[in-house]
Amino acid sequence: EAQVTQNPRYLITVTGKKLTVTCSQNMNHEYMSWYRQDPGLGLRQIYYSMNVEVTDKGDVPEGYKVSRKEKRNFPLILESPSPNQTSLYFCASSFQGANADYGYTFGSGTRLTVV
Amino acid sequence: AQTVTQSQPEMSVQEAETVTLSCTYDTSESDYYLFWYKQPPSRQMILVIRQEAYKQQNATENRFSVNFQKAAKSFSLKISDSQLGDAAMYFCAYRRGFGNEKLTFGTGTRLTIIP
Repeated sequence: EAQVTQNPRYLITVTGKKLTVTCSQNMNHEYMSWYRQDPGLGLRQIYYSMNVEVTDKGDVPEGYKVSRKEKRNFPLILESPSPNQTSLYFCASSFQGANADYGYTFGSGTRLTVV
Repeated sequence: AQTVTQSQPEMSVQEAETVTLSCTYDTSESDYYLFWYKQPPSRQMILVIRQEAYKQQNATENRFSVNFQKAAKSFSLKISDSQLGDAAMYFCAYRRGFGNEKLTFGTGTRLTIIP
C-alpha cells in the first residue's frame, strides 16, 4: 500500500529534551515536506526537501532541523523543544515534474505536547 | 506571497442537504492548482478534489463539486446530499505550477452534519 508513515503518533516530552519524529514514504517521491497544524492557523510549512541531500526552510523553520540522507526518509528533529512547539505535525510527499498530479500524500500526523 | 482565505470557521448542514464552503486566494501566477482536503476526527488529511487553473471546467467527484471563478480568485466546494461521514474540517489549498511544490493552506472550515 502506498503510504507515508509517521512515528510516533503521540508524544509528550519536557522542555529541552531532544526528539525526532520519523517519516518514511514508499512511493519513490522526490518531494517531502513537514507541516505543523495549529487551531485558527491552518497548516504551515516547516521544511521541505526536493530530493536527497536537498532541503530548505519553509515558513516556520525556527527550532526545527531536518535531514534527507535517503529518498524515502525525512525525519524532523527538535533539538531543544519548547512549549510553543506543541502542535500537530504532518509529513507529506509528492512527485515532482510536469506530469505530477500535484497532490500530496500525508502521513497520519504526530500530536506533540511539550511541557 | 500567495494567501488562501477561508472566511467561514464553522458551518452546519442538515443531513441530505447541500452546503457550500467558501475559499478565496491571492496570486499573481497564471499556472496553479487548487485543492480541497478533508480532515475527519481521525485527523488524516484526505484529498477531496483538485482543480487545474488552466481548465475552465469545474471539477466534480461524486457528491463533491467546485465552483472555480478564476477572475474572482474564488474556489468554493459544494457538497450535495450531505452525509454524517462528511463531518470534518475542510481545508482549501493552493499550489503554484511546475517547479514549486509547496501547498499553501487556508485556516479551515469545520463542517457539522445535523441528523
